[in-house]
Amino acid sequence: DAGVTQSPTHLIKTRGQQVTLRCSPKSGHDTVSWYQQALGQGPQFIFQYYEEEERQRGNFPDRFSGHQFPNYSSELNVNALLLGDSALYLCASSLKGSRTDTQYFGPGTRLTVL
Amino acid sequence: GNSVTQMEGPVTLSEEAFLTINCTYTATGYPSLFWYVQYPGEGLQLLLKATKADDKGSNKGFEATYRKETTSFHLEKGSVQVSDSAVYFCALRGLRYGGSQGNLIFGKGTKLSVKP
Repeated sequence: DAGVTQSPTHLIKTRGQQVTLRCSPKSGHDTVSWYQQALGQGPQFIFQYYEEEERQRGNFPDRFSGHQFPNYSSELNVNALLLGDSALYLCASSLKGSRTDTQYFGPGTRLTVL
Repeated sequence: GNSVTQMEGPVTLSEEAFLTINCTYTATGYPSLFWYVQYPGEGLQLLLKATKADDKGSNKGFEATYRKETTSFHLEKGSVQVSDSAVYFCALRGLRYGGSQGNLIFGKGTKLSVKP
């Protein structure tokens, strides 16, 4: 049973560029959430996708956008990159409607903005 | 708003020592509570969870009890191993309007180092 997978593992970009990160949820899951984890901090919620729509959003600017595809996989896009966007980006999947809706995390994508 | 406060690290213990990592929370209603672990260079792994007051979550020798009266969810292990060295995150998940599950809110994490 494949867990949550993310690509790429590492990415280096320069300020002002745009980046796309990808996530495939755990088999059987239909909901994808994205988190940003700065160095030495806990993850911060960016947004959640279910049925191809953004359902919840954290306190992140519009430069952060996403998409969910019919196969439940998801992309996170960040435009006009800033140095402060350097972080580990984590994707988590879950099954909507399950009793606890527990989220399972992928290994993350390490983004470095120079 | 909802929040989680964890004891600050780092915590350094000798192998076979007793571990406690304190976690308290602020939330309306009855959130679900979680402990996640992050090994060096990896993503988060769910360690244990509890969904209602007095529930005890347990896994791999770790335990935590959901204490509504003290709004706490302290992580404990009776005898730590070198392989337990990692960062531990306490998290909560409240309910949104309408009853659906909200997003996870994490503490800042506690780094544990276990020496042989």
